[in-house]
Amino acid sequence: EIVLTQSPGTLSLSPGERATLSCRASQSVSSSYLAWYQQKPGQAPRLLIYGASSRATGIPDRFSGSGSGTDFTLTISRLEPEDFAVYYCQQYGSSPPVFTFGPGTKVDIK
Amino acid sequence: QVTLKESGPVLVKPTETLTLTCTVSGFSLSNARMGVSWIRQPPGKALEWLAHIFSNDEKSYSTSLKSRLTISKDTSKSQVVLTMTNMDPVDTATYYCARLYCSGGSCYSDYWGQGTLVTVSS
Repeated sequence: EIVLTQSPGTLSLSPGERATLSCRASQSVSSSYLAWYQQKPGQAPRLLIYGASSRATGIPDRFSGSGSGTDFTLTISRLEPEDFAVYYCQQYGSSPPVFTFGPGTKVDIK
Repeated sequence: QVTLKESGPVLVKPTETLTLTCTVSGFSLSNARMGVSWIRQPPGKALEWLAHIFSNDEKSYSTSLKSRLTISKDTSKSQVVLTMTNMDPVDTATYYCARLYCSGGSCYSDYWGQGTLVTVSS
């Protein structure tokens, strides 16, 4: 079963800065099945990116996803105050057909 | 408008069976591209996927919890039910249901319920 590792665990940045979050898989993952979610305290997660690089409906273009194989990246080009949150990557494996979440990266205000 | 809402007990005792219901609206559980996932999150911890069910009744379970989980759906009631047996205090968590949408070779959870906190304690 595929294990996802996210780094760093916490990213301390200022508004306006660029955030680069990493998601690494223990074995190759289909890009089609790699997604990113944002979660704020007390709220349900929100889909940001699916298929490794496609933005979900209503997601600002400062969010972008990239990567393939075992290494994937979520980039926030210029942090807005509302972007400080926890970000999770998720993959869907076909054998076995299970979903896996990474442990999350917290982006907090420096 | 797509919505999902979880319901069930807020408190269960150790060894009891938890039954959670996800009631959906704005889409049909018979839609070929759609399903429902259950995900949980212990306080202060990461998300953990539990199970999903597709419109064709295809089911899948977390390998670590498979022996304790059962997922089912009632399309006519727009409900998906998750049962988890032999509850333990470590199962204390917020339990979410989410719509699973598969299209163009991708599968992802695009709509989520608000979550329901379940505490396991005697």
